[in-house]
Amino acid sequence: DIQMTQSPSSLSASVGDRVTITCRASQSVSSYLNWYQQKSGEAPKLLISGAINLQSGVPSRFSGSGSGTDFTLTISSLHPEDFATYYCQQSYSTWTFGQGTKVEVK
Amino acid sequence: QITLRESGPTLVKPTQTLTLTCTFSGFSLSTSGVAVGWIRQPPGKALEWVALIYWDDDKRYNPSLESRVTITKDTSRNQVVLTVTNVDPGDAATYYCSHLQTNGWSSYFNYWGQGALVTVSS
Repeated sequence: DIQMTQSPSSLSASVGDRVTITCRASQSVSSYLNWYQQKSGEAPKLLISGAINLQSGVPSRFSGSGSGTDFTLTISSLHPEDFATYYCQQSYSTWTFGQGTKVEVK
Repeated sequence: QITLRESGPTLVKPTQTLTLTCTFSGFSLSTSGVAVGWIRQPPGKALEWVALIYWDDDKRYNPSLESRVTITKDTSRNQVVLTVTNVDPGDAATYYCSHLQTNGWSSYFNYWGQGALVTVSS
């Protein structure tokens, strides 16, 4: 099984901050890496597929990068509605999620 | 417009069998490439993929749950059913069903139901 490890597990940030979340796979997943946003009490929402492909309707302040085992989700300027938990997920071999990164108000 | 909705019991007793139904619209599970999966989330914890079924009845299971989980589909009723046998408190979670979009070898869950919260308690 492929394990996904995110860091940090949580972070505190302010509106306007640049936020970076990393995700590491236990073996190469090529570019088969997706990012989701989950707000409290809601279902997850797909943000990025294939490591870099922004989904329709997702603001351009979100971006993804990486390949192989190391990936990054970046929010260039944090908006109030971005406070949420973010999950990476590999789809190279079935599907595995990371443990999540909670972005909290500083 | 694709929608999915989970239904089933909110409370099950330990050792019982949990049966959840996903009813969907906006796509057909008889169309090549289509799949529906189940993902669960214990309270305050991370997402965990449970099972998935493809249009051709091919099935995939999380190895950690495979001995207790079964996924089936009823194409005519636009439903996917998940059963979990011999439940224990560790199976308490919000269970989501989701549409899997495939793009070559890449795949991702792009539509989700609202989730069904299941408690396991005697």
